[in-house]
Amino acid sequence: KQEVTQIPAALSVPEGENLVLNCSFTDSAIYNLQWFRQDPGKGLTSLLLIQSSQREQTSGRLNASLDKSSGRSTLYIAASQPGDSATYLCAVSSKTSGSRLTFGEGTQLTVNP
Amino acid sequence: EPEVTQTPSHQVTQMGQEVILRCVPISNHLYFYWYRQILGQKVEFLVSFYNNEISEKSEIFDDQFSVERPDGSNFTLKIRSTKLEDSAMYFCASMVWVGTDTQYFGPGTRLTVL
Repeated sequence: KQEVTQIPAALSVPEGENLVLNCSFTDSAIYNLQWFRQDPGKGLTSLLLIQSSQREQTSGRLNASLDKSSGRSTLYIAASQPGDSATYLCAVSSKTSGSRLTFGEGTQLTVNP
Repeated sequence: EPEVTQTPSHQVTQMGQEVILRCVPISNHLYFYWYRQILGQKVEFLVSFYNNEISEKSEIFDDQFSVERPDGSNFTLKIRSTKLEDSAMYFCASMVWVGTDTQYFGPGTRLTVL
C-alpha cells in the first residue's frame, strides 16, 4: 500500500529565501507525482505534475524533482514571497492503486514579510 | 480556463439525514473522483468513476455512500444516514486520461453534520 510522507510539517521563512519541501513515497511503481497548493479552507490547486519518466518540472519560481528509485521528490521555491504562504501537498498516482491519488500530510509554509 | 465546480460550498445537516453533493467536472474529462479531508487530516480517496461505473473505491466508501452521473454533466456523491464523523471537506476531481494527466480539483463542499 502506497504511503506518502512530507517533511517538514511546518516551515517559517523570511521573504526572499529559497526553500525546499520534501516528499517521500514507499512504492516506486508510480504513474506520476503532483504537487498541490491548498489555502486555508480552500480547494487544491495543482502546481506541477511530474511523470514517472521525468526527472523534474519547472513553473516560474517552482521546480519539482523526482527520484523514483529512491522514492523522493522535492519542491524548490525560489525567492519566496508572502503570497506563497499556504499548505503544500504532495500526491502520488501508483500503478498498483489504479488512478487514485495518495496524499501526504502537507507542509504548512509561512513566508514572513 | 475550464474548471471543476461543486455545489453547495457548505452543507449543514442533522445526523441521520441524507445529503447529495454535486460536482460538474471539466467537460472533456473521462475520469471522476471524490476525495475527502477531515479537518487537520490528509486528503483521502473515496471513489473513482469511469464509463458510468465505479472503477475503484476505498475502504471508506461503504454502503452509506453512492455516486451517480445522472446526466452528461453532473457527478454526485450521496451520503445516506449521515454520521458526525462524516463532517469533512469533500472534493471532486476529474481527469482526461489515466496515467498521464493532472487531476483537477474543485473548490470543495464543506459538510457539517450536527
